[in-house]
Amino acid sequence: GAVVSQHPSRVICKSGTSVKIECRSLDFQATTMFWYRQFPKKSLMLMATSNEGSKATYEQGVEKDKFLINHASLTLSTLTVTSAHPEDSSFYICSAGDRGTKNIQYFGAGTRLSVL
Amino acid sequence: GQSLEQPSEVTAVEGAIVQINCTYQTSGFYGLSWYQQHDGGAPTFLSYNALDGLEETGRFSSFLSRSDSYGYLLLQELQMKDSASYFCAVRDPSGSARQLTFGSGTQLTVLP
Repeated sequence: GAVVSQHPSRVICKSGTSVKIECRSLDFQATTMFWYRQFPKKSLMLMATSNEGSKATYEQGVEKDKFLINHASLTLSTLTVTSAHPEDSSFYICSAGDRGTKNIQYFGAGTRLSVL
Repeated sequence: GQSLEQPSEVTAVEGAIVQINCTYQTSGFYGLSWYQQHDGGAPTFLSYNALDGLEETGRFSSFLSRSDSYGYLLLQELQMKDSASYFCAVRDPSGSARQLTFGSGTQLTVLP
């Protein structure tokens, strides 16, 4: 199946710093990628839809200036958590879908962010 | 909007059969999907139903009844490695063409 690579898998940073997370589709082109946040034992909460060559679409309640998304190519989307605070600590996962009728989403391995 | 309901937890023993139910409400229906997620890992696609009936893939099967807005995931011959969270999902017609809305997840624990 298709592969989505997400990096880094884990990051620990000090409060106030910015953290960039990369999501790459390795063997297919993705005009759209999705960024999720997941709390322990909870569901995947969609944060934003990353659109290649245009602005991301953010879900209600998600601060676009806090979570900057860039989708500069058909294989790469980045999420930057700006001025991170402890409440931003979470598991962030990206996904990209193939073009088939089943709309299968392929997920990255996730990034565990811990803000001290 | 979309909403999906599934049980929060299910426990079963090795070798048993377990069924995880999912009921959904959506303004437009484009199929019901199931994903598996192990602790700390990425969700992985398990199955997809667009039409009524049963889809079988090895030990896993998925069923859909569109008239009842209901589906289930059936896991047979349970193994310890099946302990994971299982999410049902539907496409969100108000969002991007490939955007999914996920249920809250069912934590399956397989006991020896």
